[in-house]
Amino acid sequence: NAGVTQTPKFRILKIGQSMTLQCTQDMNHNYMYWYRQDPGMGLKLIYYSVGAGITDKGEVPNGYNVSRSTTEDFPLRLELAAPSQTSVYFCASSFQTPSTDTQYFGPGTRLTVL
Amino acid sequence: AQSVTQPDIHITVSEGASLELRCNYSYGATPYLFWYVQSPGQGLQLLLKYFSGDTLVQGIKGFEAEFKRSQSSFNLRKPSVHWSDAAEYFCAVGARGSSNTGKLIFGQGTTLQVKP
Repeated sequence: NAGVTQTPKFRILKIGQSMTLQCTQDMNHNYMYWYRQDPGMGLKLIYYSVGAGITDKGEVPNGYNVSRSTTEDFPLRLELAAPSQTSVYFCASSFQTPSTDTQYFGPGTRLTVL
Repeated sequence: AQSVTQPDIHITVSEGASLELRCNYSYGATPYLFWYVQSPGQGLQLLLKYFSGDTLVQGIKGFEAEFKRSQSSFNLRKPSVHWSDAAEYFCAVGARGSSNTGKLIFGQGTTLQVKP
């Protein structure tokens, strides 16, 4: 099992550009999440999904979009990149709700918006 | 609203010394509690979790944590720190029952440095 994989590892964007951060898990987990991590701020939940076709907003969803067409994939879309979106992005998955089961994290994507 | 506070942003201990990382939470009932570790350049890995029962929880890598309801705390401990324990540690809380939306709230993190 590869677990949770994320691509790319690093990316530099110009203001206003768009991109998609890819996330794939091979553990047949129903729940998937996107977090951003800023220094000294811990992790903040952007969006999450409880299954294919179902997504919901987390704490900081503005400027992002997600889709969940399959159990395995949960891409995160940035439409108009802004410097405030410079961060490290982590995707995670769990079998049941994260409050009762372990979340497995990907290695992260480091995004810089200039 | 739920919240998690890790009062220590940065801690330095000598190799072989004991370690305690503090975590305080705010929640109306007993939450689910977690400790995660993040090594440099890596994602987060679960160290241990508390759901119910024995308030002293054992985890991986020799870590343990104690849930104290009266103090709203879930401090992480290790009797003897190894150089490989240098990392960032996150405490997290999740909701129970009907309000459980599947979200975790993370603390700000504590960076552990280990001196030789």
